[in-house]
Amino acid sequence: NAGVTQTPKFQVLKTGQSMTLQCAQDMNHNSMYWYRQDPGMGLRLIYYSASEGTTDKGEVPNGYNVSRLNKREFSLRLESAAPSQTSVYFCASEPEGKNEQFFGPGTRLTVL
Amino acid sequence: GEDVEQSLFLSVREGDSSVINCTYTDSSSTYLYWYKQEPGAGLQLLTYIFSNMDMKQDQRLTVLLNKKDKHLSLRIADTQTGDSAIYFCAESASGGGADGLTFGKGTHLIIQP
Repeated sequence: NAGVTQTPKFQVLKTGQSMTLQCAQDMNHNSMYWYRQDPGMGLRLIYYSASEGTTDKGEVPNGYNVSRLNKREFSLRLESAAPSQTSVYFCASEPEGKNEQFFGPGTRLTVL
Repeated sequence: GEDVEQSLFLSVREGDSSVINCTYTDSSSTYLYWYKQEPGAGLQLLTYIFSNMDMKQDQRLTVLLNKKDKHLSLRIADTQTGDSAIYFCAESASGGGADGLTFGKGTHLIIQP
């Protein structure tokens, strides 16, 4: 099992550009999450998906959209990137009935 | 809203025990977690404890929970250089879901030879 994978590992964008961060898990987990981690801070939840086709906003959803088209993949889209979205983005998944989130290696995004 | 507080740094000598402390404010916290993050890597779940427990031990790791004071600690026995990382305390009322986990800012554990 590869666990939770994220692409790309690094990305630099200019203000106003768009991009999609990809996340996939091969553990057959229902729940998936997107977090952002800013320097000197803990992770903050952007979006959550309980299952294919369902998504819920987290603590900091503004400026982001998500898509859960199948059980395996959960993507995060920035339509018009802003410098405030410079951060490290982590995807996580969670098995049904178990309160354990498994994290991917992260995507380090810089918006100039 | 909910808040989780941790010291930013802890320095210990190799071979000593490390104790990382955490306080939280949400009285409905049901699940309390410790995650480890090595440089450039994602978060790795070390252990978690239910709020109806006061202690959990797993090899070199001991978690203590004082629910009355909303205080959680992680003790690492015989600290090794490989334990050097950032340790995050996190809490959840529901084990995840739309509320996710609430994380502290992380404690940098520095190991002195």
